[in-house]
Amino acid sequence: DSGVTQTPKHLITATGQRVTLRCSPRSGDLSVYWYQQSLDQGLQFLIQYYNGEERAKGNILERFSAQQFPDLHSELNLSSLELGDSALYFCASSSRTGREADTQYFGPGTRLTVL
Amino acid sequence: AQSVTQPDIHITVSEGASLELRCNYSYGATPYLFWYVQSPGQGLQLLLKYFSGDTLVQGIKGFEAEFKRSQSSFNLRKPSVHWSDAAEYFCAVVAFSSNTGKLIFGQGTTLQVKP
Repeated sequence: DSGVTQTPKHLITATGQRVTLRCSPRSGDLSVYWYQQSLDQGLQFLIQYYNGEERAKGNILERFSAQQFPDLHSELNLSSLELGDSALYFCASSSRTGREADTQYFGPGTRLTVL
Repeated sequence: AQSVTQPDIHITVSEGASLELRCNYSYGATPYLFWYVQSPGQGLQLLLKYFSGDTLVQGIKGFEAEFKRSQSSFNLRKPSVHWSDAAEYFCAVVAFSSNTGKLIFGQGTTLQVKP
């Protein structure tokens, strides 16, 4: 158990809908990273937050957004869903800003299926 | 651009045999390298990491990896594989940008263990 929790574990929805994925980092960790794992793209970085502020963006679609709350949990919002958004979404947490050598610990993931 | 290559998509070994999973990276500066394992339906578990120092690093579950700068490699090894080691293995490097360090993953190697 990494100490990172994600809910829900599975999510099935229809095209055009909007969903919210939730992540709670390890106790004491200030950084939250979101990654998407799909069969064709592999594991790709989406976005990072540190202590409530957006730190960096990767290959994140404009239909996707995220935020980190004062209690440090983070939510990834996916809207206008398409079939191609079906994937496993991971969050990871670390203690530092990301500019230093640090270890990211991953949650169990949320499997999103868009029908 | 930084990249990670895992040349073997799928490897099958017999239980009790030795294992080596290959990883090559492309990164201009000193790399920070990781191996993660993903069991079916599970998240990513950290096996080991290399930041600096001794180029042979020990991890959990009896795994070790050797950093070879001259070959841009970070191969994962285990002297005797157990059936429970069957999983997908990912090599990753931290790619630092101005504000953060995201993980760049290889495509993964699926390990099958024969009884």
